[in-house]
Amino acid sequence: DAKTTQPNSMESNEEEPVHLPCNHSTISGTDYIHWYRQLPSQGPEYVIHGLTSNVNNRMASLAIAEDRKSSTLILHRATLRDAAVYYCILRASGTYKYIFGTGTRLKVLA
Amino acid sequence: ETGVTQTPRHLVMGMTNKKSLKCEQHLGHNAMYWYKQSAKKPLELMFVYSLEERVENNSVPSRFSPECPNSSHLFLHLHTLQPEDSALYLCASSQALGLAGGPVDNEQFFGPGTRLTVL
Repeated sequence: DAKTTQPNSMESNEEEPVHLPCNHSTISGTDYIHWYRQLPSQGPEYVIHGLTSNVNNRMASLAIAEDRKSSTLILHRATLRDAAVYYCILRASGTYKYIFGTGTRLKVLA
Repeated sequence: ETGVTQTPRHLVMGMTNKKSLKCEQHLGHNAMYWYKQSAKKPLELMFVYSLEERVENNSVPSRFSPECPNSSHLFLHLHTLQPEDSALYLCASSQALGLAGGPVDNEQFFGPGTRLTVL
């Protein structure tokens, strides 16, 4: 199973952009890159996912390296409500198995 | 009710008890999942049901027994648990994968979890 590597924690100031990195050097051609976040006392929440091209949605942007061995989740303007653990996950196309890592704990400073 | 609901939210049980966790999804999905989240460990996938058939069983001990009577409901039956089974148990749902004309990838919607303590 492909694995991901993320920093344990990061800090950001409120209203500033945040770039959360993820390395996945063993990614295969059919693996989708997913990002979820888990707020305190809640279940994980979908943020964004992609395969090869960069993706944007109302929550965030996903920048995928050309060789797909790394990706970056971009929160354009961090708010206090964005403080959470962010998980970068690979999932093979057509399978159900998410392999969660330990994630990055994002702290947002007022 | 909307989204994915789980009951009870908290459960304390002894090692000889039998209890069940319940999950219900109101999203029209046809795949459901059980995950375990222990302190300071990553989420672990336990079971997956797609179209009411079990499609993943991630080497889970037999003291955990899942049941999926229909596409909206998922149960996790617990018996003779150990203290190390204390954790947050999360349920999730999604559209089924691998169906003709269907998605090859999609998002999962998680419930709030059941905090289980085994004494």
